[in-house]
Order: sequence, then structure tokens, then C-alpha cells
Amino acid sequence: GQQLNQSPQSMFIQEGEDVSMNCTSSSIFNTWLWYKQDPGEGPVLLIALYKAGELTSNGRLTAQFGITRKDSFLNISASIPSDVGIYFCAGQWTGTASKLTFGTGTRLQVTL
Amino acid sequence: GAGVSQSPSNKVTEKGKDVELRCDPISGHTALYWYRQSLGQGLEFLIYFQGNSAPDKSGLPSDRFSAERTGGSVSTLTIQRTQQEDSAVYLCASSLQGSDTQYFGPGTRLTVL
Repeated sequence: GQQLNQSPQSMFIQEGEDVSMNCTSSSIFNTWLWYKQDPGEGPVLLIALYKAGELTSNGRLTAQFGITRKDSFLNISASIPSDVGIYFCAGQWTGTASKLTFGTGTRLQVTL
Repeated sequence: GAGVSQSPSNKVTEKGKDVELRCDPISGHTALYWYRQSLGQGLEFLIYFQGNSAPDKSGLPSDRFSAERTGGSVSTLTIQRTQQEDSAVYLCASSLQGSDTQYFGPGTRLTVL
């Protein structure tokens, strides 16, 4: 099945640094979502974006829905050790089919 | 309240055997999804149930895969004649309605020897 292109694939950063990751698609979506997955757990929703150009924040997280509706980025400011995990973007075309199309994931590791 | 639960958490089976994976969605959620996550990969959509509508089976990789949802609640994903490439984590999610936030269960890790 289709997967969205997500980069970088993995990141090693130091505590306190800012992180940026992005996601691109060959097709448009009307909703973009960012999830975090911890080992042995299912993904947990971090941020949802519903409108092209929308910029949304959730604490230290900021995400944007690209104007073309084919991309999105996620920023994490002042990273902390508990930010470790795998981050997935997901596109959704609500209305006709609500399935999520996921990105390939960005593995984030934070060093002290 | 209780989240999405899945059982078993781990399943090891021999090639050629059939397996059944169970999902208990959040109470009151009308939409239920199955996804598959292969090692180091993102999630891949398998099937979607919404209320009494016909399920969207467009993601099922072969006719060895099937799923049912009884009474609009519990769902079972069945894989017949398992193959080694079926080894993956199978995740279930539910949402209040089709377009709402999907809440994921912890998954069932399937290993086919």
C-alpha cells in the first residue's frame, strides 16, 4: 500500500535542541495528522491539521499543513528525553474513506 | 475509560496455520480499523468498518485475510494459511465516527515461523 515519504528517517539530538521533520505525498489530503509511537504501544495522536496553510501548536509541538495539501512538517522545541520514540505523519481524506495513510516514520533519540 | 484492547498481545504460529486476532474498540465507537505494521515500517491500512455499512476491504493484501465485526463492537481479523511475510504487528483503532480521531490499541505481534 501507499506510504508517505517522511524525513529524516532517524535523528540523534541533544536534550534542549529543536527538532524538525517533514512528510510529503504524491496525492492531496484534507487532513494531516502527527502520531508518536512508543515501543510496544500503538500510535498516539499529537496534532491534527484540517486546513491548508494551518499552523497548530500543542505545547512544545508545532505542525503545519502545507499549502499544496501534499505536505506537512512537525517541529519539537527544546527536546527532552521523553520525546524519544517514532513519529509518524498520516494523511486522511475524510468524507469518503477515513483510512489513514501513514509515513515511513522518524525515529528520534535524545541524548543528555 | 478503557481504551482499545487487543488480544493476544503476542502470537507465534507455524507457517500454514490459521490465526485469529481480536480487537475490542472503545465503547460507543462506531468506526473500527485494522492496520499492519511490518518491522521498521509505517502502518498499512487493511480494513475499515463503519456502523452497518459494508466494510472497506481495499487494504487486505490477499484473500487469506478476512475480518468481521459482530454486533457493531468486537472485531476479529483472521489470517488463513499464514506465511512468513505475514509476520508483523497488527494494530486496531476505533473512532467515534468515520472522520473522527482514531485511537489505537497496543497491537498483536504475529510471528510466523
